Amino acid sequence: GAVVSQHPSRVICKSGTSVKIECRSLDFQATTMFWYRQFPKQSLMLMATSNEGSKATYEQGVEKDKFLINHASLTLSTLTVTSAHPEDSSFYICSARREPYEQYFGPGTRLTVT
Amino acid sequence: GESVGLHLPTLSVQEGDNSIINCAYSNSASDYFIWYKQESGKGPQFIIDIRSNMDKRQGQRVTVLLNKTVKHLSLQIAATQPGDSAVYFCAESHSGTYKYIFGTGTRLKVLA
Repeated sequence: GAVVSQHPSRVICKSGTSVKIECRSLDFQATTMFWYRQFPKQSLMLMATSNEGSKATYEQGVEKDKFLINHASLTLSTLTVTSAHPEDSSFYICSARREPYEQYFGPGTRLTVT
Repeated sequence: GESVGLHLPTLSVQEGDNSIINCAYSNSASDYFIWYKQESGKGPQFIIDIRSNMDKRQGQRVTVLLNKTVKHLSLQIAATQPGDSAVYFCAESHSGTYKYIFGTGTRLKVLA
């Protein structure tokens, strides 16, 4: 199957700082990637759709100025959590779409904001 | 953070028995459905998928059933093993958006 990586796997940052999470499709090109957030014992919630070469599309209730998404190449999308606060602590998961339907998921990034 | 009172439904199954995990989906226009397994601290792992033009699909030890009339999806795991213990999510998608909408999840516990 296709491989998607995320970096870092864990990050701890102080409140008010920004943190960047990378998502890479290692063996296929992905024009579309997705970012999800998952709180403990809850399901994955789609945050945004990242489109290569264009602006991301955010789901309702997700602040685009707080969660900056850049999809600069067909194999890399980044999510930057700006001015992070403790309530942003969560498990962030990306996926990459290999046409036509299938999404391949990364291993996730555990963000802890202190 | 976690919502007060929110918890994952749990299915406890004896090792060697068959497991059935159910999922109700919301969008009648969804045409692609997927089951994922998620172990603690890891990303979702693909199990099996099915398109809306089918009502059953079989894989190795797993079967997915789709009932579009009542918008219901189920995952059957044959001869459940300890390694099957995890949280299982269904996801629905529509070919117009390619977005996946995940269900609430079920925790499967396999008893030795």
